[in-house]
Amino acid sequence: QPVVTQEPSLTVSPGGTVTLTCASSTGAVTSDFSSNWFRQKPGQTPTSLIYATVNRYSWTPARISGSLLGGKAALTLSGVLPEDEADYYCLLFDDYDWVFGGGTKLTVL
Amino acid sequence: EVKLVESGGGLVQPGGSLRLSCRASGLRFSNHWMGWVRQSPGRGLEWLTKINEDGSEKLSVDSVKGRFIISRDNAMNSLYLQMNSLRVEDTAVYYCVRDSRKNGCLFGGPGTLVTVAS
Repeated sequence: QPVVTQEPSLTVSPGGTVTLTCASSTGAVTSDFSSNWFRQKPGQTPTSLIYATVNRYSWTPARISGSLLGGKAALTLSGVLPEDEADYYCLLFDDYDWVFGGGTKLTVL
Repeated sequence: EVKLVESGGGLVQPGGSLRLSCRASGLRFSNHWMGWVRQSPGRGLEWLTKINEDGSEKLSVDSVKGRFIISRDNAMNSLYLQMNSLRVEDTAVYYCVRDSRKNGCLFGGPGTLVTVAS
């Protein structure tokens, strides 16, 4: 099964911009991987943020965006707020099945 | 609003069995692939298994293949996970998810906790 890799942890200042990435062991991530991004706060169910690489849900703030960057899926948060502190997971459709990344712990400090 | 309400979790001994259920609302259940995802305590998310719209196609990861069986009842808007030969490492919160490459994978409920211990 493919391995999907994310940064284990990142730190950003309030008001700043941060980009999280998601790489596949099978090669460059493309739109065919239909990347999804989720946010999870302690004790809560993951919340979907982005699907099919770039699409927001109705509840996803406009300051959160998805893209492809340097062969990886990427999630960019702009104008970061304290409530953005959470774990973020990517999900790729890789080698005919879905695979989660290990998650990125985002600290807002 | 998509709601996926999981139930059936609990404490079970190693080697035992458990059947999880998921009742869906807010979506045309029979139009979607559905799946199960789990999260072990303090760990990340793991996609386990999925089933197509009419139940004729099922896929599972190696760690649960042959032990966990996914099924669905479209008339009841329900998804199931029969878990057999449970191991301590199967201890986790289990989530039911909508599986869609086009419209996104969605969690819709609180999950159900399965604890495998003697």
